[in-house]
Amino acid sequence: AAGVIQSPRHLIKEKRETATLKCYPIPRHDTVYWYQQGPGQDPQFLISFYEKMQSDKGSIPDRFSAQQFSDYHSELNMSSLELGDSALYFCASSLVGQPEQFFGPGTRLTVL
Amino acid sequence: DAKTTQPPSMDCAEGRAANLPCNHSTISGNEYVYWYRQIHSQGPQYIIHGLKNNETNEMASLIITEDRKSSTLILPHATLRDTAVYYCIVRGINTGTASKLTFGTGTRLQVTL
Repeated sequence: AAGVIQSPRHLIKEKRETATLKCYPIPRHDTVYWYQQGPGQDPQFLISFYEKMQSDKGSIPDRFSAQQFSDYHSELNMSSLELGDSALYFCASSLVGQPEQFFGPGTRLTVL
Repeated sequence: DAKTTQPPSMDCAEGRAANLPCNHSTISGNEYVYWYRQIHSQGPQYIIHGLKNNETNEMASLIITEDRKSSTLILPHATLRDTAVYYCIVRGINTGTASKLTFGTGTRLQVTL
């Protein structure tokens, strides 16, 4: 069965650079979520989209932005990267109203 | 979403049942209890969810107390591959909008030989 695809799987950036993370949800899923997991931390919700509209927003820095496109894939754009942005970034997808969120394998971002 | 409390860690011998408790004393009537797990650095994985009745699927059983203030996830025959952090999450289901997961600190289950 198709799963959530995230790219790239690993990304290394310098401070103050920009990064773009991509998420391809399971086909026919209409909802995408982004989570951030710092080293030794638990996943923290960043932002979600339902039918290409922002649905909910968590503790996402103003330097980050995200959108969901017409084909339902989503991108998380991160600017002016800081050392503290180094983390695993997970994307999850679901059908709204359904109980289960399906998580991708994550993108490991390292900021040097 | 209601706050949950879980023990930080538990050990279980392989082949034995693992019983993971969760307290959610402030749960409201329309909130479900969910369990996810995260095997080292992988994406979290859905296990099971329930409202007030006990639930069972191919992975686990969920026992919810009658007052719904606590629950127990049961892995009937734990294997080494069940070693993971287990998260108990209380969450409402809203139709028409996305409903985020709020992860607490979870229970780190170590299954040993």
